[in-house]
Amino acid sequence: QQQVKQSPQSLIVQKGGISIINCAYENTAFDYFPWYQQFPGKGPALLIAIRPDVSEKKEGRFTISFNKSAKQFSLHIMDSQPGDSATYFCAASMDRGSTLGRLYFGRGTQLTVWP
Amino acid sequence: DTAVSQTPKYLVTQMGNDKSIKCEQNLGHDTMYWYKQDSKKFLKIMFSYNNKELIINETVPNRFSPKSPDKAHLNLHINSLELGDSAVYFCASSAPGRTEAFFGQGTRLTVV
Repeated sequence: QQQVKQSPQSLIVQKGGISIINCAYENTAFDYFPWYQQFPGKGPALLIAIRPDVSEKKEGRFTISFNKSAKQFSLHIMDSQPGDSATYFCAASMDRGSTLGRLYFGRGTQLTVWP
Repeated sequence: DTAVSQTPKYLVTQMGNDKSIKCEQNLGHDTMYWYKQDSKKFLKIMFSYNNKELIINETVPNRFSPKSPDKAHLNLHINSLELGDSAVYFCASSAPGRTEAFFGQGTRLTVV
């Protein structure tokens, strides 16, 4: 059973545009929601993360919006650049007991930014 | 300085062979993980170790055996390799009480 659902599977955006990737989860025990960026041949790298006590977190051009009641969160990339072309994964985790640190990943979004 | 390093980066082997992948982290983290990324890029946890103790063991065939000689190392040994084991295997680590995971560069395993 897919714990975290991610869409779209692929996204093509023009340079300077806004990229939006959406994720949804069911398990209300999740309390940490990171986004990872992966370039070809590399491991996933933490991009930005949010906890459910805030509705938005911004770091540079990257913003996470979080809707606790809808159990949804999204990544917005403003002023998208060709260098942002990568696969983006949302994930969820529980800060609790033996599952600490275990990440449940979405299936990824392949982002292509055209120059 | 590489924070989480895996060796080898590429591994091509025949069905039925036994192989190992090594992982080392120099971040001082207590928890280490193995994740498997399939051909569709789906990432799924396989094992988690905390201070050399097995914490998470997903429904992974017992042909896969992790070993943690110390908290900075987590190796993965795979017996009797099958075609379906072909994937990219990632090692990761996280600090005590923290959920941020740092991933290695991956080991692309191809079974022929």
